Amino acid sequence: GAGVSQTPSNKVTEKGKYVELRCDPISGHTALYWYRQSLGQGPEFLIYFQGTGAADDSGLPNDRFFAVRPEGSVSTLKIQRTERGDSAVYLCASSLRRGGVSEQFFGPGTRLTVL
Amino acid sequence: AQKVTQAQTEISVVEKEDVTLDCVYETRDTTYYLFWYKQPPSGELVFLIRRNSFDEQNEISGRYSWNFQKSTSSFNFTITASQVVDSAVYFCALSEGRRASGSRLTFGEGTQLTVNP
Repeated sequence: GAGVSQTPSNKVTEKGKYVELRCDPISGHTALYWYRQSLGQGPEFLIYFQGTGAADDSGLPNDRFFAVRPEGSVSTLKIQRTERGDSAVYLCASSLRRGGVSEQFFGPGTRLTVL
Repeated sequence: AQKVTQAQTEISVVEKEDVTLDCVYETRDTTYYLFWYKQPPSGELVFLIRRNSFDEQNEISGRYSWNFQKSTSSFNFTITASQVVDSAVYFCALSEGRRASGSRLTFGEGTQLTVNP
């Protein structure tokens, strides 16, 4: 399809484990965002990539969270030593940065459950 | 700091009723953008509209209309003749327009709209 895709759709892990969440943006979109949505809340910003570089990572909650986008397309969000409080839906969005503010198109999310 | 407030946590209406979802925002920027997104039960956020801070003209798209008032820092969303398929969580969001670091969105907490047949 032509939309943003995210894998896996669901991930269940145990406390202390390492997880990787993948995002495949819309082809040609240079900007990529990660958000986290807890139950009953609005999405919260984590990190923004313009091309390959993380232009704004101020939303990452702590140093257990890290994200990469090595070739300027697919991105991976990595969480080390997972905690139960990390349980949430992790959303990825991409946009076509045209100098102004472009709308962001969201993927279906990865539901992470930390037991 | 930016903030978006959606005071209505849940709204329930009967089909064909009109319904207005409220959104109030705070920002120190003079250039900013406002958005509405719909999140149906499937979970995927669907973009509905974007407005910039210099354009206060109201907009209508089919049964949807938006009322942007800078004087009250509000960007309200009205659905006319609601339908069951409109049932979803609706999010209002704000983005600063000139940040060098992109256009991160600040979301409100959402309004759960239920349209009953």
